[in-house]
Amino acid sequence: DQQVKQNSPSLSVQEGRISILNCDYTNSMFDYFLWYKKYPAEGPTFLISISSIKDKNEDGRFTVFLNKSAKHLSLHIVPSQPGDSAVYFCAASAAGGTSYGKLTFGQGTILTVHP
Amino acid sequence: EAGVVQSPRYKIIEKKQPVAFWCNPISGHNTLYWYRQNLGQGPELLIRYENEEAVDDSQLPKDRFSAERLKGVDSTLKIQPAELGDSAVYLCASSFLRTGGMNTEAFFGQGTRLTVV
Repeated sequence: DQQVKQNSPSLSVQEGRISILNCDYTNSMFDYFLWYKKYPAEGPTFLISISSIKDKNEDGRFTVFLNKSAKHLSLHIVPSQPGDSAVYFCAASAAGGTSYGKLTFGQGTILTVHP
Repeated sequence: EAGVVQSPRYKIIEKKQPVAFWCNPISGHNTLYWYRQNLGQGPELLIRYENEEAVDDSQLPKDRFSAERLKGVDSTLKIQPAELGDSAVYLCASSFLRTGGMNTEAFFGQGTRLTVV
């Protein structure tokens, strides 16, 4: 039962353009969503998060959008840089129930930014 | 501030042998997680501790996996005996969760890459 899904295994964009990574979830109890970035041979690094009481959160070049009715979130990177090339994981957790305090991850999307 | 520290970084063992991984979380973090990441997949939770109590171990294969978090700080994850299918990256993470409060992000260590041959 894949509760968090990233349907695009990979994404390739040109430097300076926008990268849009997508994530869908099925568990309506999820109320906190995170994006992690992972380089090879390193652990995931926290990037940005959003609570379900918001529909947008911005941090520099990174913006996360949440559409609760569609159970969909996306990460926008503008402008994209070659150093952004990594695997991006979407994750979700809930304030209560069996998913409290537990991060459920998607499968990841490999982003490649070409110079 | 020191991050989550894991050791060893890499481990190669023969099947049926035991193996152990160690994790030192970020100071002050009350919650510790062990995740397993298979190739091409996202991390999957094995066990979560709040202080020294295992509050979620539903995904831990208890016939061969065990974990402990003595004194609510460091933690070890053990596999005995290891099987070929246990080859994966084992990630430790920590966070500070307030009971009834808003969730926060978890911080991950670099992981231990286990290869069972």
